[in-house]
Amino acid sequence: ETGVTQSPTHLIKTRGQQVTLRCSSQSGHNTVSWYQQALGQGPQFIFQYYREEENGRGNFPPRFSGLQFPNYSSELNVNALELDDSALYLCASNPGGVTDTQYFGPGTRLTVL
Amino acid sequence: SQQGEEDPQALSIQEGENATMNCSYKTSINNLQWYRQNSGRGLVHLILIRSNEREKHSGRLRVTLDTSKKSSSLLITASRAADTASYFCATDHSGAYSGAGSYQLTFGKGTKLSVIP
Repeated sequence: ETGVTQSPTHLIKTRGQQVTLRCSSQSGHNTVSWYQQALGQGPQFIFQYYREEENGRGNFPPRFSGLQFPNYSSELNVNALELDDSALYLCASNPGGVTDTQYFGPGTRLTVL
Repeated sequence: SQQGEEDPQALSIQEGENATMNCSYKTSINNLQWYRQNSGRGLVHLILIRSNEREKHSGRLRVTLDTSKKSSSLLITASRAADTASYFCATDHSGAYSGAGSYQLTFGKGTKLSVIP
């Protein structure tokens, strides 16, 4: 158990819709990162938040956005869903600073039809 | 894009045998980490090796790192059926972005390990 939870577990949306995925980090973990994992691939970094501000972004378009809240929860929002957005979305947290290990949640499986 | 590449893509062994997985990467790193993933669920951190370390052990796991060859290997000794999972290496590129605590992990495509009872 990593102490990181995600909701919902599964989600089905249609192309063009918007979706919000949620993550609850361990208390004291100031950094949260989001990853997208397509079937048969490794996770790809979407972006990272540190103390409620975006602190780095991977090669993802602006329709992927996020929020981090003071209570160690965070959201990943995806607008104008495309079929290729179908994937497992993972959030990972750590205490921030120089700590290296990231603690991953169980993921949300998003299917776009 | 994914920097790390695991080899082999799939590995099937008998229970009790050793399993070796390899990972190669392209640019310099601060550390390299190995993760396990069961059935497309969350990732579990196994072991971290820093760029100035050559070998590290944790229980039945042994990781080596060769920064001159930009490669790492993960050895699981005396494998068990419960070790069946996908294994990923991930490289840490701290400092790629500004801000405290700022870093991202770059994952490979993984090795799918099957341990047959």
